[in-house]
Amino acid sequence: ETGVTQTPRHLVMGMTNKKSLKCEQHLGHNAMYWYKQSAKKPLELMFVYSLEERVENNSVPSRFSPECPNSSHLFLHLHTLQPEDSALYLCASSQDRSRPGSYNSPLHFGNGTRLTVT
Amino acid sequence: GQQVMQIPQYQHVQEGEDFTTYCNSSTTLSNIQWYKQRPGGHPVFLIQLVKSGEVKKQKRLTFQFGEAKKNSSLHITATQTTDVGTYFCAVYSYNTDKLIFGTGTRLQVFP
Repeated sequence: ETGVTQTPRHLVMGMTNKKSLKCEQHLGHNAMYWYKQSAKKPLELMFVYSLEERVENNSVPSRFSPECPNSSHLFLHLHTLQPEDSALYLCASSQDRSRPGSYNSPLHFGNGTRLTVT
Repeated sequence: GQQVMQIPQYQHVQEGEDFTTYCNSSTTLSNIQWYKQRPGGHPVFLIQLVKSGEVKKQKRLTFQFGEAKKNSSLHITATQTTDVGTYFCAVYSYNTDKLIFGTGTRLQVFP
């Protein structure tokens, strides 16, 4: 039983749709992350929120927009996606030190959202 | 930038055989983490190594951190079908302030 819950588990969307992925952590952690996992590629970090402060990741296209209203919830808003954005999107949380972006704590992952863009 | 390579990419073994995956970094590491992802599942944290030359064991799993803190290995003794999955190492990059995951080694165990 994971302490990080993601919804939906599966999502199929067209390129013109707007959808949101939701993540909730019940572990009392102070940092949350979005990762993208594509076939035959390493896990790619997309966004980090540490102590509710966003750490920018300039390599992520603007069609992905994160939102972190509090330390327990994280969203990933999607709009005008491309077929190559089809992947497993994983949310994770950790208990980090005060410095934003610190990564020595282990990550606790959710089950992920399998996204297919048609 | 910093790269983390894992070898091999795939390994098929007969149940009862041993298995080893290696993680190599281009830079010296402060620590290294290992994760396991079962098919259809999500990565699950296994262990973190911090000290040079450190060796830690979890039942049939042995984790080792290189003396130079640039590489690490995970060794499974007498594999079982429950060991099936992809094993990832992950390292903290001081330069980019990110946790970088290795490419992973997918283990298949035949009964």
